[in-house]
Amino acid sequence: GAVVSQHPSWVICKSGTSVKIECRSLDFQATTMFWYRQFPKQSLMLMATSNEGSKATYEQGVEKDKFLINHASLTLSTLTVTSAHPEDSSFYICSARDSSLSWGREASQPQHFGDGTRLSIL
Amino acid sequence: AQSVAQPEDQVNVAEGNPLTVKCTYSVSGNPYLFWYVQYPNRGLQFLLKYITGDNLVKGSYGFEAEFNKSQTSFHLKKPSALVSDSALYFCAVRDIPSEAGTALIFGKGTTLSVSS
Repeated sequence: GAVVSQHPSWVICKSGTSVKIECRSLDFQATTMFWYRQFPKQSLMLMATSNEGSKATYEQGVEKDKFLINHASLTLSTLTVTSAHPEDSSFYICSARDSSLSWGREASQPQHFGDGTRLSIL
Repeated sequence: AQSVAQPEDQVNVAEGNPLTVKCTYSVSGNPYLFWYVQYPNRGLQFLLKYITGDNLVKGSYGFEAEFNKSQTSFHLKKPSALVSDSALYFCAVRDIPSEAGTALIFGKGTTLSVSS
């Protein structure tokens, strides 16, 4: 089945540092990937839609300069949390769908999720 | 805008008993509906989906869900619960299903606890 690999799985760092999270689709191509944020015992909140070769689309209230997204290839998207602070501590999850399918089939496909990154800012 | 609601924060069942996790949806067109399960500190695993066709959808690990258009519901069910089914369950709807590239919108999640 389709696999999404997310790295690292756990990060602990000091306030003010920048942290990069990678999301890779291992056995399919994804022109679009999605980044979610999840607080403890809460739902997934969509942060942004990452588009290969173009700018990401951010949800309302998400700071573009804070959460930098780069989707440089059909299998890799990165999320960089810049100048991280304790309030950025959260569980970040990426997701993707197989974009090699026709749009009708692609639309009905489930999103495949990475295992998430636990970010802790001290 | 599309949305899903999971009215229960927690569902408790005894092992061997049937379980139901509720979900209702609100969409402007035909819904694309999904159920996912999440174990602690892990990503989401796909269980099943409804796109079109039979209202009863069967998925992974013995789970099934029934699509009810009149009640705008998509409840997750399993005839006999296992302790290993204990996890966080999310119902999701595809936003603007006629357009490719749009993300899933999730309900708040329901914690299922199965006791032995």
